[in-house]
Amino acid sequence: EVQLLESGGDLVQPGGSLRLSCAASGFTFSSYEMNWVRQAPGKGLEWVSTISGGGSNTYYADSVKGRFTISRDNSKNTIYLQMNSLRAEDTAVYYCAKRDGRIFDYWGQGTLVTVSS
Amino acid sequence: DIVMTQTPLSLSVTPGQPASISCKSSQSLLDSDGKTYLYWYLQKPGQSPQILIYEVSKRFSGVPERFSGSGSGTDFTLKISRVEADDVGIYYCMQSRELPLTFGGGTKVEIK
Repeated sequence: EVQLLESGGDLVQPGGSLRLSCAASGFTFSSYEMNWVRQAPGKGLEWVSTISGGGSNTYYADSVKGRFTISRDNSKNTIYLQMNSLRAEDTAVYYCAKRDGRIFDYWGQGTLVTVSS
Repeated sequence: DIVMTQTPLSLSVTPGQPASISCKSSQSLLDSDGKTYLYWYLQKPGQSPQILIYEVSKRFSGVPERFSGSGSGTDFTLKISRVEADDVGIYYCMQSRELPLTFGGGTKVEIK
């Protein structure tokens, strides 16, 4: 059974940093792209970032480019999202999602990031 | 960026009746490989999104037959043939033809 478990969400001040983690199990982790998708309170879904199976290719939404860094450790079946220079508009539930081809086929339960003073 | 526009914003449906959601993209989602990268997701209350339909009309594993997708190019439709109580939630279309991946604003489906 595929499982994705996010952690690391917290309350952080504007300008601060946070690192999210997503631990995966139930599939051959290194064979799949992994993604972060976020959802601001009461709002829709926004793609944030993608990392290739080997970790050599990364992609970002313009809204986070230069501030967020996605990475993965295939020995630990875990992906990370390092978030720097956080802004109020980054407040959201952050979902980790596995991608099979171009389908987000499995999603975690999400972790809440709140940016506020 | 490809803009995805969904209508209506919300839908109230009597159980057993059909429902239809429209999604329009600002550019064609037909890729050079001949596939059209349009997806439908459902986010049930308090849950993470789940995939329903991929590549316009293909039902994901385990998705009931009452869900169907159709369309081409820039115009797409999700239909529920007979709505059940378990179908409540917010439906999102999404394009995966190019980065950035973009979602529609969502359609909230409620039961009357």
